[in-house]
Amino acid sequence: AQSVSQHNHHVILSEAASLELGCNYSYGGTVNLFWYVQYPGQHLQLLLKYFSGDPLVKGIKGFEAEFIKSKFSFNLRKPSVQWSDTAEYFCAVCREYGNKLVFGAGTILRVKS
Amino acid sequence: GAGVSQSPRYKVAKRGQDVALRCDPISGHVSLFWYQQALGQGPEFLTYFQNEAQLDKSGLPSDRFFAERPEGSVSTLKIQRTQKEDSAVYLCASSLVIRQGPNYGYTFGSGTRLTVV
Repeated sequence: AQSVSQHNHHVILSEAASLELGCNYSYGGTVNLFWYVQYPGQHLQLLLKYFSGDPLVKGIKGFEAEFIKSKFSFNLRKPSVQWSDTAEYFCAVCREYGNKLVFGAGTILRVKS
Repeated sequence: GAGVSQSPRYKVAKRGQDVALRCDPISGHVSLFWYQQALGQGPEFLTYFQNEAQLDKSGLPSDRFFAERPEGSVSTLKIQRTQKEDSAVYLCASSLVIRQGPNYGYTFGSGTRLTVV
């Protein structure tokens, strides 16, 4: 069975600090990878996704993630966070051509202004 | 509408009561999913429909949980004889799935927060 591990449950950063949120998954086959974000009081929104090709994918709001197949990782990064990035971030995986997402437990990011 | 709509937004049920949660997917989206998100956890898959066909119900935690999508659009998740452990946010998502093609990600609704007292 697939599983997703997010390394930190809570992260607190000051504005302009760099962000890296860890995500590791376990699955032997080809996977599609996603990062979702949930801003306070809002629904889950897709931040970025990886299907194939360039392992460095860019998403909305300056976020990017790098797929490292050998490490089964898909870490999320942003060079300089803003107060408005305060949210909960979820990493998710599904098998290639699949539909069922398996989510990590989430990382709550708080950015201090 | 433009997004996935779920109702009610909040539901408080007494233990043993039956509840019904509704999901209106994005028009034209053939795939519909239900997820359960317990406090402090990520969403966990419950069930999946393609049009009116329930193709996967492997995540339903017990036979008290039942989902339907009779006309291939609106879906209802029903929980019979609710228990305290059913307290969670129930999320619905829809997706425009191209058969044999990759999944481009879902659009989620805002969820129904169920509290069983």
